[in-house]
Amino acid sequence: EAQVTQNPRYLITVTGKKLTVTCSQNMNHEYMSWYRQDPGLGLRQIYYSMNVEVTDKGDVPEGYKVSRKEKRNFPLILESPSPNQTSLYFCASSLYPDRGRGYTFGSGTRLTVV
Amino acid sequence: DAKTTQPTSMDCAEGRAANLPCNHSTISGNEYVYWYRQIHSQGPQYIIHGLKNNETNEMASLIITEDRKSSTLILPHATLRDTAVYYCIVRGVSGGYQKVTFGTGTKLQVIP
Repeated sequence: EAQVTQNPRYLITVTGKKLTVTCSQNMNHEYMSWYRQDPGLGLRQIYYSMNVEVTDKGDVPEGYKVSRKEKRNFPLILESPSPNQTSLYFCASSLYPDRGRGYTFGSGTRLTVV
Repeated sequence: DAKTTQPTSMDCAEGRAANLPCNHSTISGNEYVYWYRQIHSQGPQYIIHGLKNNETNEMASLIITEDRKSSTLILPHATLRDTAVYYCIVRGVSGGYQKVTFGTGTKLQVIP
């Protein structure tokens, strides 16, 4: 089944403890992206990647890092999480060029930083 | 990247057509209009997309105005399972492709 897999689904952590949220897709998509979703603010883009070793900032990159060493994986790294990073995170992927098929989203990771 | 504006919320009676509008007045010639929906806190799901012609698939229809500055997503016979947040975005094939803004969408409530 074609899908984007995020892990973990739920995570509670403490301020300052480094964490990684993994994202993997099995559709050979070139483009991958991370979003965070907060009440009243919609989906905001954190980082995106056009292909292996090609990443760039979205609208809210502060406090996050990403890497794209393999085409299928695009982990989101929080080096020193803070409570304002408590959010629902989504990973998405698509072909590039898109060819009209749009994004495929993961199921989300709900992160709580205390 | 072009931005979109949508009403915050809408209601629709079950079995009736739901018409969800979207304004994208700064859309450029190579940008498509996409619609997604998000049920509860699940990952958004692709519904339909179009460039300038009207489109229809098994889920919905998309009507794009001639000047392409606005569009309407039509769910022809809304059911309770269509209750969701609907997002309209624009995305180019190239240039402006990378950054995609989803905004806050329209919360559609289908009423029995």
